[in-house]
Amino acid sequence: DAKTTQPPSMDCAEGRAANLPCNHSTISGNEYVYWYRQIHSQGPQYIIHGLKNNETNEMASLIITEDRKSSTLILPHATLRDTAVYYCIVRVQNNAGNMLTFGGGTRLMVKP
Amino acid sequence: DAGVIQSPRHEVTEMGQEVTLRCKPISGHNSLFWYRQTMMRGLELLIYFNNNVPIDDSGMPEDRFSAKMPNASFSTLKIQPSEPRDSAVYFCASKKTGMNTEAFFGQGTRLTVV
Repeated sequence: DAKTTQPPSMDCAEGRAANLPCNHSTISGNEYVYWYRQIHSQGPQYIIHGLKNNETNEMASLIITEDRKSSTLILPHATLRDTAVYYCIVRVQNNAGNMLTFGGGTRLMVKP
Repeated sequence: DAGVIQSPRHEVTEMGQEVTLRCKPISGHNSLFWYRQTMMRGLELLIYFNNNVPIDDSGMPEDRFSAKMPNASFSTLKIQPSEPRDSAVYFCASKKTGMNTEAFFGQGTRLTVV
C-alpha cells in the first residue's frame, strides 16, 4: 500500500468546517483513498472512500486532486463529537480481502 | 446487526499466563482482521483471514502469538505465554470481500499483563 502523510494534529472551532489534508504522492492508479476515524476508547470507524472523483456522504466530503497525489477530508460543520484521530489510508481494491494499514493519523480537536 | 463483537472487553492477567481473545465478525463478512494498538506503535495489523484461511500473518510479533478462525463466525487470538509488553488494545475487524466494501471494527479488548 502507498504511504500517506498527515499532520499530527489540528484544531477546529465548533460549527466550522474541518479540512483534513493527506498526501499520498506515490499512489498507484488502482489504489483507493480511504478515511477512518477513531474516537477515544472506540474502534476505528469508516468515514468515506474514493478513487478519482470527489465523494460525499452523510458524514463528510472527500476531495481528491486531479493528479491524485493528495486529498482532503471535509467535515462541513464540526461538532465536539467529531474530536478524534482521523486516518487516511490508500489501498488496492480487489477481491482478495485486502488489508488496511494505518499510519499515525491526524488528531482533530474540535473546540467550543 | 450487533456489529463485530469482541470478548472480553478488559483482561488483566499475570505474566506467563495464556490469554485468549475472541471475535465474532458480522454475519456475511468473509474477511477478518486482528489489530493491536499501543501508544508507541499505533494501530498494527497482526493477521488477516479470508474465507477462514489466514492470508497474511507477517504482523504477528512472535511465536507466542497465534490466531485461528475455525468457522466463519468465530476467531481467536491467543498469546502464550503473555508478557507485560503485550499490554495493548486488540481490535478485530471484518468486511465483505469485494469491491467498495469497508471494514467494521469491534470495540476492542484492553489487555493488561502484569
